[in-house]
Amino acid sequence: DTEVTQTPKHLVMGMTNKKSLKCEQHMGHRAMYWYKQKAKKPPELMFVYSYEKLSINESVPSRFSPECPNSSLLNLHLHALQPEDSALYLCASSRTPGQGSYEQYFGPGTRLTVT
Amino acid sequence: AQKVTQAQTEISVVEKEDVTLDCVYETRDTTYYLFWYKQPPSGELVFLIRRNSFDEQNEISGRYSWNFQKSTSSFNFTITASQVVDSAVYFCALFTGGGNKLTFGTGTQLKVEL
Repeated sequence: DTEVTQTPKHLVMGMTNKKSLKCEQHMGHRAMYWYKQKAKKPPELMFVYSYEKLSINESVPSRFSPECPNSSLLNLHLHALQPEDSALYLCASSRTPGQGSYEQYFGPGTRLTVT
Repeated sequence: AQKVTQAQTEISVVEKEDVTLDCVYETRDTTYYLFWYKQPPSGELVFLIRRNSFDEQNEISGRYSWNFQKSTSSFNFTITASQVVDSAVYFCALFTGGGNKLTFGTGTQLKVEL
């Protein structure tokens, strides 16, 4: 099973709202990722969790707050977003380096619109 | 620094034509991994292939084939007898241990028409 699930599929939120994106995988992967993708652009890495610890933060604004409650779950908490934050948010997972495989498996994404 | 170049922004072909998507990469690391991903209009990136820097063997999987040439730093992807379902954006990506993250190319939009 190479499935990564994400909820919700679509989200519309105002600039004062607080919402969360959720991601789940059951492949035993110990690395999980959040990406942001604008239209006609490649995905941009936001955060990396390795063994449930934040290992990379690509200088993401604090209005995005990641959380990894356990090895299968990854959340992205959103607060006071700006319209330019509207994008497709993709979650991915992979075996961590050292386990011999680096391919990342992506979820279907959450299409976020900030009004 | 790592870089991936996909010079073809958009390619249009008629069904059953063969099409090659180009990917050129740059890295100073001797150990690295190259990937191709497919992104259909639904949005999900689908993993297609991983190739490590030690293995220059070409690979064929059904209608898909990949040509890895270290001498030219290229990792090209060919679809034989294209089908409408192949229409998608295709990303080439590079991973190095030093960078610890995927570097994506800008993607190639493939349109296969009847």
